[in-house]
Amino acid sequence: NAGVTQTPKFQVLKTGQSMTLQCAQDMNHNSMYWYRQDPGMGLRLIYYSASEGTTDKGEVPNGYNVSRLNKREFSLRLESAAPSQTSVYFCASSDRGTISYEQYFGPGTRLTVT
Amino acid sequence: SQQGEEDPQALSIQEGENATMNCSYKTSINNLQWYRQNSGRGLVHLILIRSNEREKHSGRLRVTLDTSKKSSSLLITASRAADTASYFCATGPGDGLTFGKGTHLIIQP
Repeated sequence: NAGVTQTPKFQVLKTGQSMTLQCAQDMNHNSMYWYRQDPGMGLRLIYYSASEGTTDKGEVPNGYNVSRLNKREFSLRLESAAPSQTSVYFCASSDRGTISYEQYFGPGTRLTVT
Repeated sequence: SQQGEEDPQALSIQEGENATMNCSYKTSINNLQWYRQNSGRGLVHLILIRSNEREKHSGRLRVTLDTSKKSSSLLITASRAADTASYFCATGPGDGLTFGKGTHLIIQP
């Protein structure tokens, strides 16, 4: 049981390049989330998917797109990377079917845009 | 915008002492959660307290919630070196969580 996995762990992009961050969970959770964490800050929600087939914007969605490929996988795409997107990206999942909204986090992807 | 704000931003104590950190939030909540983040790692859920609860315990953790003051506190008793980490409070109705900036706790041996 791997929990939430993310790939890649590290990535360096040049301004204007594109990339997709991958996330998968094996806990059969309905909901999945993408957050970013900047130095000295808490996490900010980029996008979330409450269930398979649905996605919604969070607090900071500009410059990103997401795809809920199936129940297990939720990807985050940067179409044209900017230095302001240098951050650590975390994927999380939760089972909103329970009374607990506890979220399970992946190990993160450290992205640097030069 | 940050919903929760932790206080203090940093805390350094001796091993064996108790550590207390506080969280204030702005709007009504369904529940409040505390997470731990070790350096360079993802967040780990510690404890959740619902809006109709006032206190909750889990091992060496004690969480209180005062909805009239929109505040919560996390107490870690008998601290250990392994407790060195950043601690975040998080609130939300369920569709994503809103995190504070965290309290960085250092346990001195």
